[in-house]
Amino acid sequence: SQELEQSPQSLIVQEGKNLTINCTSSKTLYGLYWYKQKYGEGLIFLMMLQKGGEEKSHEKITAKLDEKKQQSSLHITASQPSHAGIYLCGADGDGATNKLIFGTGTLLAVQP
Amino acid sequence: NAGVTQTPKFQVLKTGQSMTLQCAQDMNHNSMYWYRQDPGMGLRLIYYSASEGTTDKGEVPNGYNVSRLNKREFSLRLESAAPSQTSVYFCASSELGPPLHFGNGTRLTVT
Repeated sequence: SQELEQSPQSLIVQEGKNLTINCTSSKTLYGLYWYKQKYGEGLIFLMMLQKGGEEKSHEKITAKLDEKKQQSSLHITASQPSHAGIYLCGADGDGATNKLIFGTGTLLAVQP
Repeated sequence: NAGVTQTPKFQVLKTGQSMTLQCAQDMNHNSMYWYRQDPGMGLRLIYYSASEGTTDKGEVPNGYNVSRLNKREFSLRLESAAPSQTSVYFCASSELGPPLHFGNGTRLTVT
């Protein structure tokens, strides 16, 4: 079965610093999805990546999928307190988008 | 614009009690999902419904039943709650493909 490993598990950065979160799959990814979760709330969909080498950006968040389609990174530029939360990656390794497998998440804290 | 609404927000049950978690979406989405979130385990799919009248098992369906009552509503029932079902439960929906809209969760404790 497919597994997703996220690193780091937690991260504390000072406001204004850049950071990267990684998501590594045990199998080739058909689709990779990034979500953000604030404490006590549901997940918010951020971005979807499907093609090897694909890169997408939304405001100060950039997500990339490597050429081999087994690893994705989420990069935040000039972090702000509003970026704090848990970031989760999800994947449909066999193309079944109804059955995403999720990573265990990366907890991000941004210190003012 | 409510999106995905889950009720209740909190619930405490004793072992063996039953309850139904309610979920409703107002976006006319075809697909609806139930997940549970546990520390160190991420989100795990319990059941999903690709369209009204259809349901299918996810990764951890044992101990749960679901009903897709209509296009708006997808309920999750625990017939005989166990401490292992203590978790945060999330409902989600999408037009098709992966879950895109999540509710704020139901925090369930089984003692």
